[in-house]
Amino acid sequence: KNQVEQSPQSLIILEGKNCTLQCNYTVSPFSNLRWYKQDTGRGPVSLTIMTFSENTKSNGRYTATLDADTKQSSLHITASQLSDSASYICVVSQRRSTGTASKLTFGTGTRLQVTL
Amino acid sequence: EAGVAQSPRYKIIEKRQSVAFWCNPISGHATLYWYQQILGQGPKLLIQFQNNGVVDDSQLPKDRFSAERLKGVDSTLKIQPAKLEDSAVYLCASSHLYEQYFGPGTRLTVT
Repeated sequence: KNQVEQSPQSLIILEGKNCTLQCNYTVSPFSNLRWYKQDTGRGPVSLTIMTFSENTKSNGRYTATLDADTKQSSLHITASQLSDSASYICVVSQRRSTGTASKLTFGTGTRLQVTL
Repeated sequence: EAGVAQSPRYKIIEKRQSVAFWCNPISGHATLYWYQQILGQGPKLLIQFQNNGVVDDSQLPKDRFSAERLKGVDSTLKIQPAKLEDSAVYLCASSHLYEQYFGPGTRLTVT
């Protein structure tokens, strides 16, 4: 069964601190892995997308890593800001036949709260 | 570029009533998705369209949920009759190649 598990479930950190969120998956065949940020009351917004051959990708203060051998990914947030308070969702895309859009499996997300 | 549009943003209905949600994807995006997101959980795929054909509706409760995408552009999702457990945010997304773009969602409360 295709699954995506994230940890921790929730996290509280002080503004300015760094944090790392974890994602483990069992989706196969693998196509790509995405990290989304979802603010309360809004739809998810993509932060990074990584394919099999990529093991790190950055987007500003967000850096995602991927180990396709162990099927693990992490999202590192540097110098956190209050606006980083949101849910971070790991999504793994399953490769399908040519011409058919891929199927996504979503994690349940990590709820991050950045405080003063 | 305009994003994915959804309406209404909020809806409150009583159980056993019917409700419909509308989604207008980004222009040119062939693939359209409807997701159900229960509070505290990640989105769950309900149905995926490619143009006006259904690619995946394996998790759509077909006894009460229906969706259509006439002409391969905008789409509607209907629930009839609604149950209390249908209370959730319904997200529409569209995609081109790898990237998937989400709309703001419709928050449904069933009382």
